[in-house]
Amino acid sequence: QVQLQESGPGLVKPSETLSLTCAVSGYSISSTYYWGWIRQPPGKGLEWIATIYDSGTTYYNPSLKSRVTMSVDTSKNQFSLNLSSVTAADTAVYYCARDYGSPRYFFDYWGQGTLVTVSS
Amino acid sequence: QSVLTQPPSVSAAPGQKVTISCSGSSSNIGNNYVSWYQQLPGTAPKLLIYDNNKRPSGIPDRFSGSKSGTSATLGITGLQTGDEADYYCGTWDTSLSAGRVFGGGTKLTVL
Repeated sequence: QVQLQESGPGLVKPSETLSLTCAVSGYSISSTYYWGWIRQPPGKGLEWIATIYDSGTTYYNPSLKSRVTMSVDTSKNQFSLNLSSVTAADTAVYYCARDYGSPRYFFDYWGQGTLVTVSS
Repeated sequence: QSVLTQPPSVSAAPGQKVTISCSGSSSNIGNNYVSWYQQLPGTAPKLLIYDNNKRPSGIPDRFSGSKSGTSATLGITGLQTGDEADYYCGTWDTSLSAGRVFGGGTKLTVL
């Protein structure tokens, strides 16, 4: 059974960088499949942030592209998200998920989510 | 503003049937597969439907999906109080805002 678990600071100061890690168990992330990040501001809908494939090919939401970096650590079977220059608008629950990728584009396994608050 | 348009809310009585629509365009739904997710209160989204109309293992056949042109529909029959949740559609968009996209979500109330 594939399981994902997000970890990282729950509070980040404005203008700083938000850094999250997703640990994967039950499946090797170096195998086929993509891996992604999705966020959900309080009381709002889902927003795709980024996806990584083949340990290096990345796809970013155009609206966040200038601030986002995603990477994979196959030795630890985990992947990470960095979002720079954060503001209060980046306050959200951040989910990591397995992304089925092209051409089907669905997320079949999700982490439980981690709330990140941007505040001084 | 979401690329995919869903009604903010729908409601129906237990045992009844409800449908949730997801409207898009040729740059997303019209030329790509659609998926649906259920988000129970306080939990992570869960995949309900993929490839327009397929159900993952463990999803009851009370849940169904369909697609026609640039719109997709999620159907739920035999409504149960446990179905009260937010439902999201998702797909790929090939326009200038290219990427994975979601609808704004629909709150289902089982009266």
